[in-house]
Amino acid sequence: KAGVTQTPRYLIKTRGQQVTLSCSPISGHRSVSWYQQTPGQGLQFLFEYFSETQRNKGNFPGRFSGRQFSNSRSEMNVSTLELGDSALYLCASSVGTDGFEKLFFGSGTQLSVL
Amino acid sequence: GENVEQHPSTLSVQEGDSAVIKCTYSDSASNYFPWYKQELGKRPQLIIDIRSNVGEKKDQRIAVTLNKTAKHFSLHITETQPEDSAVYFCADPLPLTGRRALTFGSGTRLQVQP
Repeated sequence: KAGVTQTPRYLIKTRGQQVTLSCSPISGHRSVSWYQQTPGQGLQFLFEYFSETQRNKGNFPGRFSGRQFSNSRSEMNVSTLELGDSALYLCASSVGTDGFEKLFFGSGTQLSVL
Repeated sequence: GENVEQHPSTLSVQEGDSAVIKCTYSDSASNYFPWYKQELGKRPQLIIDIRSNVGEKKDQRIAVTLNKTAKHFSLHITETQPEDSAVYFCADPLPLTGRRALTFGSGTRLQVQP
């Protein structure tokens, strides 16, 4: 099985622009969650989608949004980029086993905001 | 859980020694505790997990122990090798997410000296 795929791998934007990142989960996985990773803040939860609906959202401003499509692929969007948005954005897909979910991560999109 | 504390932040050991990383959680309802390993420039990878109905789980040179009374769980790596050098994260499912999203500890950078 192919793993979680994120595109693009690297992205350079300037302040004020917007960006869209893509995540294709492992086949059969219906849940996708997104995380922001920075050296100072570690891994922080952004939001989680299941069956095309956002189920949970972390403590991030409304500039961060996302969606999930019927094939479980997910996108996240950041509008009006700020320098502090520079980070590695990771998505994870999960599958339930005996009531517990195991999360598998993609390689991430490294976003640099200049 | 809402909060996971991880210690130490850095750990340096000699090849062949053991390494122990400890995490403390706050949500007494938490019942699943995964550990992730992230090598430099790579994705976080699930290396071991434990459910609350067991106190210890082993997989070759790694083991995880859980103390529900004290609300802490630990990762033990024996006979460390240079390829164990990485950042290790403990995690705890976020409440109300059906365990489909995680809150992470701040990470431990393990350096195994040859």
